[in-house]
Order: sequence, then structure tokens, then C-alpha cells
Amino acid sequence: DAGVIQSPRHEVTEMGQEVTLRCKPISGHNSLFWYRQTMMRGLELLIYFNNNVPIDDSGMPEDRFSAKMPNASFSTLKIQPSEPRDSAVYFCASSLRLGNNEQFFGPGTRLTVL
Amino acid sequence: DQQVKQNSPSLSVQEGRISILNCDYTNSMFDYFLWYKKYPAEGPTFLISISSIKDKNEDGRFTVFLNKSAKHLSLHIVPSQPGDSAVYFCAASGGPGFNKFYFGSGTKLNVKP
Repeated sequence: DAGVIQSPRHEVTEMGQEVTLRCKPISGHNSLFWYRQTMMRGLELLIYFNNNVPIDDSGMPEDRFSAKMPNASFSTLKIQPSEPRDSAVYFCASSLRLGNNEQFFGPGTRLTVL
Repeated sequence: DQQVKQNSPSLSVQEGRISILNCDYTNSMFDYFLWYKKYPAEGPTFLISISSIKDKNEDGRFTVFLNKSAKHLSLHIVPSQPGDSAVYFCAASGGPGFNKFYFGSGTKLNVKP
């Protein structure tokens, strides 16, 4: 059981560049969540998928943010163009199904936009 | 509009004593509450949960108390151990957004040996 896998673990980029964060959920989990952690707002839910379909993207801050889940074992979160205020730790989490089911988090990607 | 609030960013406790972490919520439709623990450079891990039909849930050294009328929950750790030093996040779900967990901003607990 490898857990939720995220890559890269750290990303440093310059303002205006495109950033792609990747996530592999736990095998057999049907729901996937993208969160952002900042000092001011804690853990914010950006978007979640169920059976590879985006269900709620109301937490995505701007059109610069997009997420995809082309299959059950892979998801991406893309920021284009990136800005310094996007600097944060981005977590991916998965759960067996939606509802009150435990979400298992990946180790996160620390993004720094200069 | 943060629906789940943890007003204490940090807490320091002596080993062996009780740690009490607090959490308040504003949405009366929340009916399921969780605590997650997070160590540096790791993702949060589930610690304990409670449904709104209960007012207490216990798991070893960890107990969560729920006061629905006050919209308040707390996590008690007894006795506290240095390995408990971590950031603790409170989360809630329920109502139309029952598929979503709303997290607080976290409380950093430091247990001193």
C-alpha cells in the first residue's frame, strides 16, 4: 500500500510560468480531492472528483487553475500562469467514496513562485 | 468565510499533562466532525471522528467532545507525549456539501519533555 503519491515534492518557478502538480490516488479509491494549505486560510478544498468526474470546483481560486483526472489512477492540477500568491503547499487526497469517508492525504507539493 | 475556526494557532503543554485543542463551527448543518494530525513534510493523517448523534468519542489517549448547541468541539489528549507534537486540524462536513470536508487553519501543539 503505497498511499497517495504526489510529484514533485518541491517546485520552484518564476512568475508567469506554467506549473503542473501530479497525483496518484490509492488504488481502488473512487474520490480524489485537491487542497491548498496556506498560513492564513489553513486547508482549502480546491476541487474534487468522483469516478474521474469533477463534482465541485467552487474552491478553485481563478481561471488560472485547472484540474483533470484522465483515469482512475492519475490527476493533475495546473496553474497557468503562476503568480507569487500561489505559493503554498498543495495536497492531494483520496477516499473510497464520497461522503463521510476518511480521506488519505499525500505528502504534498510545496510550490514557490518567485 | 471560514466555516470552521481554530482560534489558537499554537499550544504548548508539558509531557504527561492534558492537551485541549478547540474548534468552532458556524454551519448548523454540519453533522460529522474529524480531527487530523500533521507532521512536518507529511500529509495530514486521520486521528478521530465524531457524528452529531454523539457528544463524545474516545480512542485511547484521544477523546473528542462535541457541543452542538455551542457549535464547538474539542480534542483532549491525555496524557500528552512528545510524539504528539504536530499540527492538528479540525474538519466538518454535512448538509448540501456533505461530500466536502471544511478544515480549520490548524493548531500547532508542542509537548515539552
